[in-house]
Amino acid sequence: SQQGEEDPQALSIQEGENATMNCSYKTSINNLQWYRQNSGRGLVHLILIRSNEREKHSGRLRVTLDTSKKSSSLLITASRAADTASYFCATDAMSRGETSGSRLTFGEGTQLTVNP
Amino acid sequence: DGGITQSPKYLFRKEGQNVTLSCEQNLNHDAMYWYRQDPGQGLRLIYYSQIVNDFQKGDIAEGYSVSREKKESFPLTVTSAQKNPTAFYLCASSIRQESSYNSPLHFGNGTRLTVT
Repeated sequence: SQQGEEDPQALSIQEGENATMNCSYKTSINNLQWYRQNSGRGLVHLILIRSNEREKHSGRLRVTLDTSKKSSSLLITASRAADTASYFCATDAMSRGETSGSRLTFGEGTQLTVNP
Repeated sequence: DGGITQSPKYLFRKEGQNVTLSCEQNLNHDAMYWYRQDPGQGLRLIYYSQIVNDFQKGDIAEGYSVSREKKESFPLTVTSAQKNPTAFYLCASSIRQESSYNSPLHFGNGTRLTVT
């Protein structure tokens, strides 16, 4: 099964509202990342939170990480129509002594629609 | 502007033909990656390379091949052995990963391959 799983699969809100997306994972991680993907485009990195951090902010984005529950949330405040996109969390399993390679595992994403 | 260029954006091939997808980056990144994305799903890692002339299989390498002769280039060949090649292919790059930290990935805008 997926290392990172987003919830909900789809979310539709009105402009100005807040949007919250959740990500759950199964194994211990070094860090967790959130990415955004506009339709038919590549992914864009939004924010990275390390396993020893609990909360991180970047503009209208707020990410939390609860390693005891193996979950993370992405909050977008005061949403805009331009925030419409798919949002993915990506996790890496803690290294078992390997010194090379990055095997980020992506969830299936949350499709966010912000209605004007 | 630095970035990752994938070409072409759309590619059509007949079943049984090999096809090579191009990925070039001018970010001076050591690591490069190929992911596959199917409709409504997350990304799955095909191959990755941490350094020139070296690469490793990802989670779904069967039916694919890569080369890393130059730091800037990481072409992906989809061979006739790949049973379901129709997908959206994404190339990414990053600074070299360390054992306990993953740096963000920078993505190209993808190549949509259709095999009939």
